Amino acid sequence: GAVVSQHPSWVICKSGTSVKIECRSLDFQATTMFWYRQFPKQSLMLMATSNEGSKATYEQGVEKDKFLINHASLTLSTLTVTSAHPEDSSFYICSARDTEVGFFGPGTRLTVL
Amino acid sequence: KQEVTQIPAALSVPEGENLVLNCSFTDSAIYNLQWFRQDPGKGLTSLLLIQSSQREQTSGRLNASLDKSSGRSTLYIAASQPGDSATYLCAVPSGGYQKVTFGTGTKLQVIP
Repeated sequence: GAVVSQHPSWVICKSGTSVKIECRSLDFQATTMFWYRQFPKQSLMLMATSNEGSKATYEQGVEKDKFLINHASLTLSTLTVTSAHPEDSSFYICSARDTEVGFFGPGTRLTVL
Repeated sequence: KQEVTQIPAALSVPEGENLVLNCSFTDSAIYNLQWFRQDPGKGLTSLLLIQSSQREQTSGRLNASLDKSSGRSTLYIAASQPGDSATYLCAVPSGGYQKVTFGTGTKLQVIP
């Protein structure tokens, strides 16, 4: 099956710094990528939908200036958490969709001290 | 807006039992339905994918059914094992971009 990678798999940063997470589709081109986050003991919540070459569409309640999404190519989308705070600590998962099915990355665990 | 609910939220069974996990969704205009398992602190492992035109899919001890008209899916696990202990999530893509909405999850514990 198709493979989606994320980097890094985990990151610890100080409050106020910015963190970039990469999502790559390794063996297919993904015109659409999605970013999710998962707080402890909760399900995954969609943050934004990212289409190659255009601005991301954010879900209600997600700050677009805080969570910057760039989808510059058909195989790469990045999520930058700007001025991270402890409440941003979460598990971030991306999904890349081919023509029929979405494939999920392994996730990135962000801890903000 | 699609809403996906899973019942029960948690389930504890002795090893060897057969069990059923339930998933219901509010918008029946779905492309497919997928079942995942998630181990603590880990990512998602895809278990079964049912296309909207299908009624069920089987993989080993797992069988998933889909009734689109009633907005329901079930995941049947036969002869449960301790290694099946995990959180099980159903996920439904819908809408123009096929945004995936995840269910609330069922945390399964299989006791040896």
